[in-house]
Amino acid sequence: EAQVTQNPRYLITVTGKKLTVTCSQNMNHEYMSWYRQDPGLGLRQIYYSMNVEVTDKGDVPEGYKVSRKEKRNFPLILESPSPNQTSLYFCASSLGTPKLGEAFFGQGTRLTVV
Amino acid sequence: DQQVKQNSPSLSVQEGRISILNCDYTNSMFDYFLWYKKYPAEGPTFLISISSIKDKNEDGRFTVFLNKSAKHLSLHIVPSQPGDSAVYFCAASADFRNDMRFGAGTRLTVKP
Repeated sequence: EAQVTQNPRYLITVTGKKLTVTCSQNMNHEYMSWYRQDPGLGLRQIYYSMNVEVTDKGDVPEGYKVSRKEKRNFPLILESPSPNQTSLYFCASSLGTPKLGEAFFGQGTRLTVV
Repeated sequence: DQQVKQNSPSLSVQEGRISILNCDYTNSMFDYFLWYKKYPAEGPTFLISISSIKDKNEDGRFTVFLNKSAKHLSLHIVPSQPGDSAVYFCAASADFRNDMRFGAGTRLTVKP
């Protein structure tokens, strides 16, 4: 079954404590990205990767890091989380541009930073 | 700067009736538009898309209309069913980019 798997689904952490949200896809997709969803703002792209070792900033990259060492995995790293990073996070993967095929999203990670 | 806008946060319709969800965009470079549906506790799933060379695309009960001159698209669901109750996101992309810009979403409630 084609899927994007994120872990954990829920996370409560304290300000400044480093955390990693994992993302893995089994579709051999080259393009992966991270979004955050906030009320009234929809989905905003944090970082994206066009292939292994190729990553770039999206619209809201501040406070986040990513890495793409393997094609299937694209972890999101918060080195020093702050309360304004409390949000619902989604990982997505696709073949490439939307015209090539739809993006598949993970189930989401709800992060609360206190 | 929200380049894709969904001005109606919510919409409620009766089962069997038509649901019309609207979306406006500002960037004239956008040439591909998509709708994603999201249920609670799940990730968004692709619903339907349309290229800027078309003004209509239909898939079963779902039809997307594009008016390029007005920079406006709409999603029609006919007939609406209770299982269609979800948040619908409009998204747009430009030809040379992989990323999509999303609207804020519209929560559709279909009442039995």
